[in-house]
Amino acid sequence: DTAVSQTPKYLVTQMGNDKSIKCEQNLGHDTMYWYKQDSKKFLKIMFSYNNKELIINETVPNRFSPKSPDKAHLNLHINSLELGDSAVYFCASSNLGQGAHEQYFGPGTRLTVT
Amino acid sequence: EDKVVQSPLSLVVHEGDTVTLNCSYEVTNFRSLLWYKQEKKAPTFLFMLTSSGIEKKSGRLSSILDKKELFSILNITATQTGDSAVYLCAVRRNQGGKLIFGQGTELSVKP
Repeated sequence: DTAVSQTPKYLVTQMGNDKSIKCEQNLGHDTMYWYKQDSKKFLKIMFSYNNKELIINETVPNRFSPKSPDKAHLNLHINSLELGDSAVYFCASSNLGQGAHEQYFGPGTRLTVT
Repeated sequence: EDKVVQSPLSLVVHEGDTVTLNCSYEVTNFRSLLWYKQEKKAPTFLFMLTSSGIEKKSGRLSSILDKKELFSILNITATQTGDSAVYLCAVRRNQGGKLIFGQGTELSVKP
């Protein structure tokens, strides 16, 4: 009954590899997000999809490619991993319509690139 | 450039103390300000504030927003060790829904 889930929770890989992180939400929200949290705990938006359409694409290397097969899923694929990609990646979801809607976060994926 | 600044960055108190965490912002097209608590894992939602001067309260936690002076405070009374966490402030703009986060305040409550 988890609201926002991510897999895997931990990912250790070597530089140059390609990896994917998956996110699913069962809250019926229409918008999903990827955030990156660095070692100083600073959370920064990367991407957002609304009804499968990309609406936010921050300054992120094009090695990062999000994909949203449907409203409930948002995956993140990372090519040619670098040491600086090591961080915790959080998925979140919310509704985007009128009114103010809080975002709910998944448990995070701790990525370590060696 | 949009900016959210929290203070202090870290705080150590003893159980029973009252703490006040600060969040100031410079964000265009402001829609709402949110507070989250982050322990070891995901940020968990505490409050969302959209109107000035209206206090939101949940148990020992309360928060208020001042849209004229562009800041919010989060108060925790009678702190407990379970309150130890990083408290994150975030502002949402009208467009797109993205949250702009502050750097967080790390609160440590000692027994």
